[in-house]
Amino acid sequence: NFMLTQPHSVSESPGKTVTISCTRSSGSVAANYVQWYQQRPGSAPTNLIYEDDQRPSRVPDRFSGSIDSSSNSASLTISGLKTEDEADYYCQSYDGNIRVFGGGTKLTVL
Amino acid sequence: QVQLQESGPGRVQPSQTLSLTCTVSGGSISGGGHYWTWIRQHPGKGLEWIGYRFDSGSTSYNPSLKSRTTISVDATKKQFFLRLKSVTAADTAVYFCAREGGGFHLDSWGQGILVTVAS
Repeated sequence: NFMLTQPHSVSESPGKTVTISCTRSSGSVAANYVQWYQQRPGSAPTNLIYEDDQRPSRVPDRFSGSIDSSSNSASLTISGLKTEDEADYYCQSYDGNIRVFGGGTKLTVL
Repeated sequence: QVQLQESGPGRVQPSQTLSLTCTVSGGSISGGGHYWTWIRQHPGKGLEWIGYRFDSGSTSYNPSLKSRTTISVDATKKQFFLRLKSVTAADTAVYFCAREGGGFHLDSWGQGILVTVAS
């Protein structure tokens, strides 16, 4: 099966913009929707982005998703960073009936 | 708003079977075209998809866990279940139940339950 590779950690200052990448090892990122989840310490994950770039209504528009077929990767961009955005972020996709999570990225807002 | 809640023993002996229940409230567990899913997270590690049971009754499991995993549903009780056989210390993790809806995303999650495999 395929893998989704994320950077282990990223950091940025409040008010800035950060982008987290998620690279698919095999198969087309464009052919299989990518989802993104946020997990704060001690809590269950919550969905931030689905179907590559769609946001649930409760998620602020500071969060956006995209895919890049040339690099076979997806990205999560968070603008206007807030300290409350400090969390772990996971991408997730699928191949047929199998679902796969990326290894997760720890975002530090300092 | 559907809510999910895991329950089960917090400790399981090695070689035994881990059995967890997820109780669904605020919505139906059948007829909605959902995938009733289990995910786990080893201490300090990332998320690992275990598998799902689809509304139709079909199942899909993580290939690395397939031989030991069964996910089933009792629609009358609005519950779904995880059974993981022959556990070892490597199965110690927080186990989450979740619902995958249209759009392939997990839109509702339980709070998670820590299961420790130890004698």
